[in-house]
Amino acid sequence: KAGVTQTPRYLIKTRGQQVTLSCSPISGHRSVSWYQQTPGQGLQFLFEYFSETQRNKGNFPGRFSGRQFSNSRSEMNVSTLELGDSALYLCASSGELNEQFFGPGTRLTVL
Amino acid sequence: AQSVTQPDIHITVSEGASLELRCNYSYGATPYLFWYVQSPGQGLQLLLKYFSGDTLVQGIKGFEAEFKRSQSSFNLRKPSVHWSDAAEYFCAHLSGGYQKVTFGTGTKLQVIP
Repeated sequence: KAGVTQTPRYLIKTRGQQVTLSCSPISGHRSVSWYQQTPGQGLQFLFEYFSETQRNKGNFPGRFSGRQFSNSRSEMNVSTLELGDSALYLCASSGELNEQFFGPGTRLTVL
Repeated sequence: AQSVTQPDIHITVSEGASLELRCNYSYGATPYLFWYVQSPGQGLQLLLKYFSGDTLVQGIKGFEAEFKRSQSSFNLRKPSVHWSDAAEYFCAHLSGGYQKVTFGTGTKLQVIP
């Protein structure tokens, strides 16, 4: 099976812009979770989607949003980018066994 | 709220030496526990997991971990470290129900020849 894929791998934006990141889960997996990883805050949970519904949400401002499509692919959007949003954004998919498989991440740099 | 603590930020071991990375969790019920490894600029790779049953679990790359409820610990071990094991290791806990995973702050492993 192909693993979790994330696009793009690298992204450079300026403050105030918005960005959309994409994640394609492992075939058959219906749950997709998003995490933000920074040197200062570590790995923080953003949200989790299952069958197009957000089931869980972390403590991030409303500028961070996501959605999931009927084919389980997911997107996350960050509006009005701030310098502090520079991070590695990781997506993970999971099946019935509660194991999360991670993609390579999208490195976002906000200038 | 549940938390995961990795008390060692950085560990250096010699190649061929044994390794133990510490992890403590705070949660009442039996948790789902994981160890992940991350190489620089990469995503996380699952090393092993504990859900229930045998408290000593075997993982990939020669790693194992032991769940000790009395100590709220889930320490990762490897009898002989290889230079390729240099990476950052994360302990994680999955709360019951949905897929919300809490990660520890990570331990960076350096392997010296």
